[in-house]
Amino acid sequence: QTVVTQEPSLTVSPGGTVTLTCASGTGPVTSGDYPNWFQQRPGQAPRPLIYSTNNRHSWTPARFSGSLFGGKAALTLSGAQPEDEAEYYCLLYFGPARVEFGAGTRLTVL
Amino acid sequence: QVQLQESGPGLVKPSETLSLTCNVSGGSISSYYWHWVRQPAGKGLEWIGRIYATGDTNYNSSLKSRVTMSVAPSKSKVFLSLSSVTAADTAVYYCAREYYNLLTGHYIWDFWGQGALVTVSS
Repeated sequence: QTVVTQEPSLTVSPGGTVTLTCASGTGPVTSGDYPNWFQQRPGQAPRPLIYSTNNRHSWTPARFSGSLFGGKAALTLSGAQPEDEAEYYCLLYFGPARVEFGAGTRLTVL
Repeated sequence: QVQLQESGPGLVKPSETLSLTCNVSGGSISSYYWHWVRQPAGKGLEWIGRIYATGDTNYNSSLKSRVTMSVAPSKSKVFLSLSSVTAADTAVYYCAREYYNLLTGHYIWDFWGQGALVTVSS
């Protein structure tokens, strides 16, 4: 089983900017790994935020953006809001038929 | 609006089989992949596997020997079966939809159900 690694926790000030990353145990993350990002608030189901590295869903606030940086997938939040406090999960594809979630990053807005 | 709703017994005895249904409304089963993902309390998400509308499946290798997924397109339902359960299988189980956009080459997860809590206990 490949390991997908995320920061366990991060803190951002209201209005601030923070970047969450997602690394693969098999090597650099590329666009061919189709990184997806999900937000999960306590007691709720995961909500898709970003697909295929940097594409927002229609419901994803513009303050969220996805990219590749330093061999990792990255989710950047610019202008953090209190409602952005949540757990964030990345998902990577290992070939077309297998996916794996990262362990999640708990983001605190404080 | 597409909605997914998981249902099934909330309590399963050890060594028995866990069976869940994902009811899809507001859209067709066809042309999509349907995933099952689980989450133990206080822990992260674990991919169980996926099934295409035609019945083709891919499973997490760690669960493959115990997992069976199936679809009933005419009934807009997707099914999960997990055999020989133990306490380690206690979790919230989610179904989720994915589609592959041929034009853009993107794999897109878009809708999730609210999840069903399954407890394995005697």
